[in-house]
Amino acid sequence: SQQGEEDPQALSIQEGENATMNCSYKTSINNLQWYRQNSGRGLVHLILIRSNEREKHSGRLRVTLDTSKKSSSLLITASRAADTASYFCATDRAGNNRKLIWGLGTSLAVNP
Amino acid sequence: DVKVTQSSRYLVKRTGEKVFLECVQDMDHENMFWYRQDPGLGLRLIYFSYDVKMKEKGDIPEGYSVSREKKERFSLILESASTNQTSMYLCASSLVRLRGGNYGYTFGSGTRLTVV
Repeated sequence: SQQGEEDPQALSIQEGENATMNCSYKTSINNLQWYRQNSGRGLVHLILIRSNEREKHSGRLRVTLDTSKKSSSLLITASRAADTASYFCATDRAGNNRKLIWGLGTSLAVNP
Repeated sequence: DVKVTQSSRYLVKRTGEKVFLECVQDMDHENMFWYRQDPGLGLRLIYFSYDVKMKEKGDIPEGYSVSREKKERFSLILESASTNQTSMYLCASSLVRLRGGNYGYTFGSGTRLTVV
């Protein structure tokens, strides 16, 4: 079952521009995580933001979390061609569980 | 560098064959997961394991089984491969959940399985 829904499904920008992707979810969470997947490869963990955090940074990545709206955004600043990939959000639902719930991803193309 | 290693990047098998996909992690993680990924369907959890010899069904366990005899190894078994099991298979591992929720997953590079 999918909880996270990324928006947009696909995004195409020029190198140097900023890219913003959004994720909405339905239930209360412990944390929300963002992953990147290069074509035909496994996923790579980018950043985890806990439910009591509102913003987190890692290099050119900025993640925000609004638990009242049940949404998160991932901002990639000064994008590069190497950022071309699919980006997934995954939610860790509140309560006793062991699984993440995945969205369908945003496909980002950064054109040189 | 920590790693999750999947035994094959590409695999072609015949319908009806028994197929073994192997996954090994070197991070002493308790949790291990098997997903399949198909266009438009995202990641779907097949099975996961939170301890040696322990397993739980995910969302789509039919036609699959798993084995975890050692902490570092988690095997996915297709009992009798069918063409609808053609997919990308991804293995992942994570530390055990403590207060504050699940940790991030480390994924393998994936195995693209084609059943003909």
